[in-house]
Amino acid sequence: DVKVTQSSRYLVKRTGEKVFLECVQDMDHENMFWYRQDPGLGLRLIYFSYDVKMKEKGDIPEGYSVSREKKERFSLILESASTNQTSMYLCASSFVRPNQPQHFGDGTRLSIL
Amino acid sequence: QKEVEQNSGPLSVPEGAIASLNCTYSDRVSQSFFWYRQYSGKSPELIMSIYSNGDKEDGRFTAQLNKASQYVSLLIRDSQPSDSATYLCAVNMNYGGSQGNLIFGKGTKLSVKP
Repeated sequence: DVKVTQSSRYLVKRTGEKVFLECVQDMDHENMFWYRQDPGLGLRLIYFSYDVKMKEKGDIPEGYSVSREKKERFSLILESASTNQTSMYLCASSFVRPNQPQHFGDGTRLSIL
Repeated sequence: QKEVEQNSGPLSVPEGAIASLNCTYSDRVSQSFFWYRQYSGKSPELIMSIYSNGDKEDGRFTAQLNKASQYVSLLIRDSQPSDSATYLCAVNMNYGGSQGNLIFGKGTKLSVKP
């Protein structure tokens, strides 16, 4: 079975802090994704990566950055956390060949106070 | 703007009935279609994939695809209260240098009443 592991299920941080969310997958997937999910807005893509050290902006990259130093690990960074970044963050991974599904981690519910 | 549309619901069905969830998509060249189930507070879980026109059955679940109409559906037979969840439709849309990008609908909330 595919295993996508996110470092924290729940996280509480303060405004202005630099926040790191970590994601590790064990299936040798080339693609990795970060989404946020908010009620009524669905899943929104923040960033994705299709190879080590490669990254592409998704639909809502503002206020976020990412790092992919190893194939299995994809980190999301909130440079200076703000209250409007309170959300559920979901990491996913997939193979790069066509028509592959994405597999999700358990999610991190992040609260910015 | 590439889109995937779903009725938000809630869709309420009695236990034992057939639940029918629908999804339309805008990109004619899409080739793969997925249904995810998401329980409240949990992450999406892949339950069905479909790539060709017609029906694909897996236990109580049947996915139906009509590429000409740009329409995909999920039928759940003999619905159980444990099927109560939000169902997300996802469609592949190759862009941004990766063939792994999916566009997700906002989901349909299903409630199965005992």
